[in-house]
Amino acid sequence: AQSVAQPEDQVNVAEGNPLTVKCTYSVSGNPYLFWYVQYPNRGLQFLLKYITGDNLVKGSYGFEAEFNKSQTSFHLKKPSALVSDSALYFCAVIMDTGRRALTFGSGTRLQVQP
Amino acid sequence: KAGVTQTPRYLIKTRGQQVTLSCSPISGHRSVSWYQQTPGQGLQFLFEYFSETQRNKGNFPGRFSGRQFSNSRSEMNVSTLELGDSALYLCASGLAGYLTDTQYFGPGTRLTVL
Repeated sequence: AQSVAQPEDQVNVAEGNPLTVKCTYSVSGNPYLFWYVQYPNRGLQFLLKYITGDNLVKGSYGFEAEFNKSQTSFHLKKPSALVSDSALYFCAVIMDTGRRALTFGSGTRLQVQP
Repeated sequence: KAGVTQTPRYLIKTRGQQVTLSCSPISGHRSVSWYQQTPGQGLQFLFEYFSETQRNKGNFPGRFSGRQFSNSRSEMNVSTLELGDSALYLCASGLAGYLTDTQYFGPGTRLTVL
């Protein structure tokens, strides 16, 4: 079985400050990890993924995420938040020996204040 | 390249009716997956098709079905609609159907069951 936890329902950050959106996972094999963002009345937009290799993954719009196997975490980060980053963020996992079906976390709403 | 398209974008149905949703994947993509998004259950996997074959299925009742055509376009059908089927239905396409492939999502179809 596989699961993803996003412990914060909402994260508030001031524009220009760094942001972190947390994600932890539980799988019985090796994880493939993904971050998506959803704007109101829109589908999910892919940000980045970790498959193997370098633990620091860089993605779209200045976002990056760090894979930490010992802490089973894959936190999303950005050095300087923009008001336009305000949206709903989802972490998702697929297990390397599992089926091709993303298991999503519950989502974290990011609010960036001007 | 055009993204994933879904039609219609909005649907209103009454209990007991059936509905068909359509998804056109990104050109060249052969895998199509469907997900249901609700405020209570979050994002849940429905099924995945690859080369016109259903490869994976989530934990949904048999009222939910789908198919994929030779041009990779996919349809999802829900029969005997219930109030709890009200949701945003998202389609995602992938290039070759590997576990590591990125799934690109469409804008979704918002289904309201009255």
